[in-house]
Amino acid sequence: GNSVTQMEGPVTLSEEAFLTINCTYTATGYPSLFWYVQYPGEGLQLLLKATKADDKGSNKGFEATYRKETTSFHLEKGSVQVSDSAVYFCALIKVDTGRRALTFGSGTRLQVQP
Amino acid sequence: ETGVTQTPRHLVMGMTNKKSLKCEQHLGHNAMYWYKQSAKKPLELMFVYNFKEQTENNSVPSRFSPECPNSSHLFLHLHTLQPEDSALYLCASSQEVAGNTGELFFGEGSRLTVL
Repeated sequence: GNSVTQMEGPVTLSEEAFLTINCTYTATGYPSLFWYVQYPGEGLQLLLKATKADDKGSNKGFEATYRKETTSFHLEKGSVQVSDSAVYFCALIKVDTGRRALTFGSGTRLQVQP
Repeated sequence: ETGVTQTPRHLVMGMTNKKSLKCEQHLGHNAMYWYKQSAKKPLELMFVYNFKEQTENNSVPSRFSPECPNSSHLFLHLHTLQPEDSALYLCASSQEVAGNTGELFFGEGSRLTVL
């Protein structure tokens, strides 16, 4: 079946540091890939997505590139802010199976210190 | 504001109680989902409804009973729960169209504590 593996947290960084959160996936065929973010006390929000190999999703300074050769979708940001502190979830969906519910990773907590 | 509203936000219940969680979406979507979020575990898909019909039940115990009276409302009826059922229950919706990449919109969740 499909699965998503994320690096364990928490990840603690100082403000303006460079962020990488690793994500790798297992799926047959060509899934779509997503990053969701969950701020404290809130539900999940879509951060960015990529639907085919070599696509780069980007939003709010975050980027992730769909790498089929390494089955990865690592999240990066060049300069984090305290307001980026949240839990980040990598996820995939296989459109061609007809099942549209996302498969999520376990989440990575990011703590940014001033 | 994501357009998906869940109530109540917090619920404490005993193991013999019966309660319900409610979800309403104002996005005109045709699919709705229940997810369970427990500490240090991946999100677990529980149920999926497309056009009010249940299309997926992910081996969820019968003490959880979903209901989808229309495409805008989704309920999760709870009965004789166990302490290990304490978690954040997230509702989500999406628009199912051929070629859609399946973006889900989530509510803020209902935090359930079973005593």
